[in-house]
Amino acid sequence: EIVMTQSPATLSVSPGERATLSCRASQSVSSNLAWYQQKPGQAPRLLIYGASTRATGIPARFSGSGSGTEFTLTISSLQSEDFAVYYCQQYNNWPLFGQGTKLEIK
Amino acid sequence: QVQLVQSGAEVKKPGASVKVSCKASGYTFTGYYMHWVRQAPGQGLEWMGWINPNSGGTNYAQKFQGRVTMTRDTSISTAYMELSRLRSDDTAVYYCARDCGFILTGYPLNWFDPWGQGTLVTVSS
Repeated sequence: EIVMTQSPATLSVSPGERATLSCRASQSVSSNLAWYQQKPGQAPRLLIYGASTRATGIPARFSGSGSGTEFTLTISSLQSEDFAVYYCQQYNNWPLFGQGTKLEIK
Repeated sequence: QVQLVQSGAEVKKPGASVKVSCKASGYTFTGYYMHWVRQAPGQGLEWMGWINPNSGGTNYAQKFQGRVTMTRDTSISTAYMELSRLRSDDTAVYYCARDCGFILTGYPLNWFDPWGQGTLVTVSS
């Protein structure tokens, strides 16, 4: 059974700085990985699919990379609206989410 | 625009059933698989399964097999998720979410956009 592990659990970053979020799969999921953003009281929003393709309307400051078991979501210059919880999700077989990384203001 | 609007919050007693609806608009309802995902309070996201709105075919996560039933009414572009034999740990926000692949490919892509606004189901005696 695949396990998705996100790190860190909480990341404190100042506005304007870069944030790097990690997601690790216990076995290869190829490039079958998506990233979602969730703000309090809201539904998740798709950011990235195919490990590195931005969804429609997602700003270019969001980028995804990786394949196999190691993946990264990078936010190049944090805006106030980017502080949220981020989830990775593999879809190599049945959909499975990581436990999330909370990105908070430093 | 593509939109999924879910039914309102529910409070149920242990052992009861709940049925949540998800009305789609802005696209061809029968053209995309629909998934259900839940989120317990303060917890992460858990996939429950999907329904093919065109054929009515379903695929449920093993954890929920025997307790979940996903159906649809194509005449009103609405998907439903019914969960039976509710327990306190079923307390969660339940989301519908549209698959990103067109149904004629024959299989879901299993990543999701957009999502409904969520329906809080509280199970309490």
